[in-house]
Parts: sequence; C-alpha cells; structure tokens
Amino acid sequence: QVQLQQWGAGLLKPSETLSLTCAVYGGSFSYYSWTWIRQSPEKGLEWIGEVNHSGSTNFNPSLKSRATMLVDMSKNQFSLKLTSVTAADTAMYYCARKYRGYLFDHWGQGAQVTVSS
Amino acid sequence: EIVLTQSPATLSLSPGERATLSCRASQSVNNYLAWYQQKPGQAPRLLIYDASNRATGIPARFSGSGSGADFTLTISSLEPEDFAVYYCQHQGNWYTFGQGTKLEIK
Repeated sequence: QVQLQQWGAGLLKPSETLSLTCAVYGGSFSYYSWTWIRQSPEKGLEWIGEVNHSGSTNFNPSLKSRATMLVDMSKNQFSLKLTSVTAADTAMYYCARKYRGYLFDHWGQGAQVTVSS
Repeated sequence: EIVLTQSPATLSLSPGERATLSCRASQSVNNYLAWYQQKPGQAPRLLIYDASNRATGIPARFSGSGSGADFTLTISSLEPEDFAVYYCQHQGNWYTFGQGTKLEIK
C-alpha cells in the first residue's frame, strides 16, 4: 500500500521561502516521478512540477524561476522549495505520485500554506 | 497550453439519478484525459484514465467516454457518497486541470 505523508511550514510572510517535504511509504520510489500540485479557489488545481529518482526536474513555466525540487533516495523523500512567496502562493499543497505518464494516482494529505504579513 | 472547460459548473441531482459531466479541450488531447473526484477535506482521487478506463477499485457505475476534444464522465446511478467535485485533467506541455463540476444533492 503506497502512502504519501507531507509536512512543512504553514504560515509564511511575503518574500519568505516555502519549504515542504513528502515521504513515500510502500511501492518503488525509484520507478516513478514525484510531483507537487497546489489548489486555491482562484486558480483551482495547478501542477507545480516533478522530480524523478535521479533528481531530474520539470516545472510549470509560471513557477520555474522560483521553484526547486530535490529527492533523497536514502529516505524515500522529495521536497519543494518556492522562493519569494506572495499572497498568490496561498493554497493547499499536495504531493503526488505520477503514474502512466500523466496520472496522479497516490496523493499526500495536503498542507495548507498561507502567505500573510 | 491546452485549456480544459468543464460543464456544468454545478449539477443538482438526487440519489439514484444518472449524472453526465462534460469536459471540453481547446484542442485534441489524443485520449490522454483523466477524471478525478474530490470530497471536502480530501485530496483528489483518480477515477478514470485514458478517457475510458476505470482506475483500480473504482465502481462500475463510473464510466468515461469521448475522444479528440470532447469527453464525458457518467455516473449511472448516484450513490450518496458520489456527491463531490469532479475534475478532468490532461497532459499537455505540462499537466492541466479543468475548473471542476460540483455534483450536489438536489
């Protein structure tokens, strides 16, 4: 049974850096790509980016300049950093497993991130 | 960027009725179209992939159809647990979602 458990700071001030980590339990970590998706009332579901086991990344062009994703194979974990946050980055952030090239079949529980001065 | 447009925004039906949800792409997506269900306080759940294939553990009352740029999610007979928000999703240059259809109890 595959489970994703995520954590990170929930309240940030403008210009700070968002940092989230997702741990994967069960299944093969190295076989899949691992993604971050966020959800807000204004933008709906928005794909942020993905990282594979070797550390290769792809990002949504709208966030590429501010986003970094890393993978820690020894812990079956991957992480997201998003710099220079603004109120527009306020959202529920999910980690998820990418499956069959474009699907997201296992999700973390979500982490609410609020950016406010 | 391919834009996915879902309709209606809200669908009000009663348990036992048939639900038909639409997703239209701004251009052909070659059947790489998925549907997700999201309940309050939960992450989205994969229902349908490649337009018409049910994901593991999804009941047979859920079915997907369509091709090219027009797709439909059908729930043949609504159960109380089916009232939720439904999203379609596609792989383009990156991954995009529709804005969702809220299926509510009438």
